[in-house]
Amino acid sequence: SQTIHQWPATLVQPVGSPLSLECTVEGTSNPNLYWYRQAAGRGLQLLFYSVGIGQISSEVPQNLSASRPQDRQFILSSKKLLLSDSGFYLCAWSVRTVLQYFGPGTRLTVL
Amino acid sequence: GENVEQHPSTLSVQEGDSAVIKCTYSDSASNYFPWYKQELGKRPQLIIDIRSNVGEKKDQRIAVTLNKTAKHFSLHITETQPEDSAVYFCAASRYAGGTSYGKLTFGQGTILTVHP
Repeated sequence: SQTIHQWPATLVQPVGSPLSLECTVEGTSNPNLYWYRQAAGRGLQLLFYSVGIGQISSEVPQNLSASRPQDRQFILSSKKLLLSDSGFYLCAWSVRTVLQYFGPGTRLTVL
Repeated sequence: GENVEQHPSTLSVQEGDSAVIKCTYSDSASNYFPWYKQELGKRPQLIIDIRSNVGEKKDQRIAVTLNKTAKHFSLHITETQPEDSAVYFCAASRYAGGTSYGKLTFGQGTILTVHP
């Protein structure tokens, strides 16, 4: 069966520090991968999606970036965090369908 | 692009009552409508979905209805229980099938509270 992992589970970072969040999927190949952000427990905002290695599409311009170095690995990064980057970051995957399954999430607090 | 509006933003019911959450969408080409339930601090979980060739779908106490003409769809929960308390999200997508990418556009969510 398919499994999606995210780490870390929680993160507290100072403003201006870098960020790296990782997502990996097991039990499937060539998935579509997504990064969402959820602020204040409401509203899922799609940040990036990827249909293959090295293929990244950005939905919202911001100081975040994403990369997909391997088929089942998706990384969300920032060079300098802002206070507004705080939130619950969710990775999701789908295969040959629009149905998306979410990972456990990373709760990021920027101080 | 697609825009999904969800109402109400909060809903409070007594245990055993029914709850209804409504969503409207703007893109008439959207053809897939899932509903997700998110408990506090956890990931969203798919609870039911419907495709545009179907008007209604039921799964035990949960049902979803779709009105393509009016471009709205609704989630119905009957005989609510305290464990139904969560945030519920609707979403819409124009999906072409196969290996194509289908973007999900989410509503803003409804906080459902079921009082014992």
